[in-house]
Amino acid sequence: DVKVTQSSRYLVKRTGEKVFLECVQDMDHENMFWYRQDPGLGLRLIYFSYDVKMKEKGDIPEGYSVSREKKERFSLILESASTNQTSMYLCASTTSRQGVYEQYFGPGTRLTVT
Amino acid sequence: GQSLEQPSEVTAVEGAIVQINCTYQTSGFYGLSWYQQHDGGAPTFLSYNALDGLEETGRFSSFLSRSDSYGYLLLQELQMKDSASYFCAVRSAGGSYIPTFGRGTSLIVHP
Repeated sequence: DVKVTQSSRYLVKRTGEKVFLECVQDMDHENMFWYRQDPGLGLRLIYFSYDVKMKEKGDIPEGYSVSREKKERFSLILESASTNQTSMYLCASTTSRQGVYEQYFGPGTRLTVT
Repeated sequence: GQSLEQPSEVTAVEGAIVQINCTYQTSGFYGLSWYQQHDGGAPTFLSYNALDGLEETGRFSSFLSRSDSYGYLLLQELQMKDSASYFCAVRSAGGSYIPTFGRGTSLIVHP
């Protein structure tokens, strides 16, 4: 089974702190994604990466950066956390097999910035 | 850009059939996916339609009409455990591996 893991389920940080969220997948997927999920807004794409050291901005990249040094690991960085970044953060990776497009999600990190 | 519309909430009783609709606007289209997410859990993949027609997987079926930019998820023989949020997602041209998600439909199943 594909497994996507995230470093923390719950995280509490203070305003202005630098925050690292880690994501690891074990299926050799090229594509990895970071989303944030807020009530009533669905999943919004922050950044994605289609290869090691490659990254592209999603719909809401402001205040975030990412790092992909190894194929299995994709990190999301909040340079200076703010209260409006309190949210659920979901990591995902993708495969395409026989024309079926399927994303695998990690369990999520619920981040609270105080 | 892309946009998707799905109802915010649907309620039904155990044993019933429910249909969750999704309409989309996108420049180019590869396929429509459906995901289920229980409270506190991660989204899990249910189905993917690239061609017109109905795909059946057990109690769940998904339908696509490319000409109408419309799809639906059909859940039969509803069970209490089907209470969850359901998201449609469009995979569109220009971002070959990047889906755009709808805001989700909260399905509440009553006994």
